[in-house]
Amino acid sequence: AQKVTQAQTEISVVEKEDVTLDCVYETRDTTYYLFWYKQPPSGELVFLIRRNSFDEQNEISGRYSWNFQKSTSSFNFTITASQVVDSAVYFCALSEEGGSNYKLTFGKGTLLTVNP
Amino acid sequence: SQTIHQWPATLVQPVGSPLSLECTVEGTSNPNLYWYRQAAGRGLQLLFYSVGIGQISSEVPQNLSASRPQDRQFILSSKKLLLSDSGFYLCAWSVGLTMGETQYFGPGTRLLVL
Repeated sequence: AQKVTQAQTEISVVEKEDVTLDCVYETRDTTYYLFWYKQPPSGELVFLIRRNSFDEQNEISGRYSWNFQKSTSSFNFTITASQVVDSAVYFCALSEEGGSNYKLTFGKGTLLTVNP
Repeated sequence: SQTIHQWPATLVQPVGSPLSLECTVEGTSNPNLYWYRQAAGRGLQLLFYSVGIGQISSEVPQNLSASRPQDRQFILSSKKLLLSDSGFYLCAWSVGLTMGETQYFGPGTRLLVL
């Protein structure tokens, strides 16, 4: 079973629409970390956010916001008023206590296309 | 500030030829270093990680190897490339020995094996 599931393979929106990217994770650990990365067409993965399992506060950074819900094992990412520059593949990732300290388990990513 | 470099940016190699990809990090000491491969379909696979000079851990047995000759240098090698080695290779770094440290990625190398 996948530890990190990003069920949306591709999403296409029109500029200025809001869009939510889903991430569902699976772990038996009580301590873990969740991440979101952005991969624009250039290929480099850009770190967006890191959240530990004890902090369920939602976070907002400009047009980006993240909704962490342990009850549903989800860590969803919303872009408000999307822009063409938001077009990229977005990855959710998990770091677990039970695994190697150094291993990030990535979801398969969601390709977001924002059309003008 | 820290920066991470990878080269070459792109590479086209024939099957059976050797490979050497280099990654260097600036602006930090004793980083943890990682090699990932991203094949078609976008999934990221951890290949190797290193917590210090000469210390390499392999996640996936294959015809690739890694070396860390200097603190901030990480090299991915192969003696004979396979078609299946084609992909996008990403190097990453982090600091600290605790779980959940953020990994920061380099620009990547696109490898096409023909």
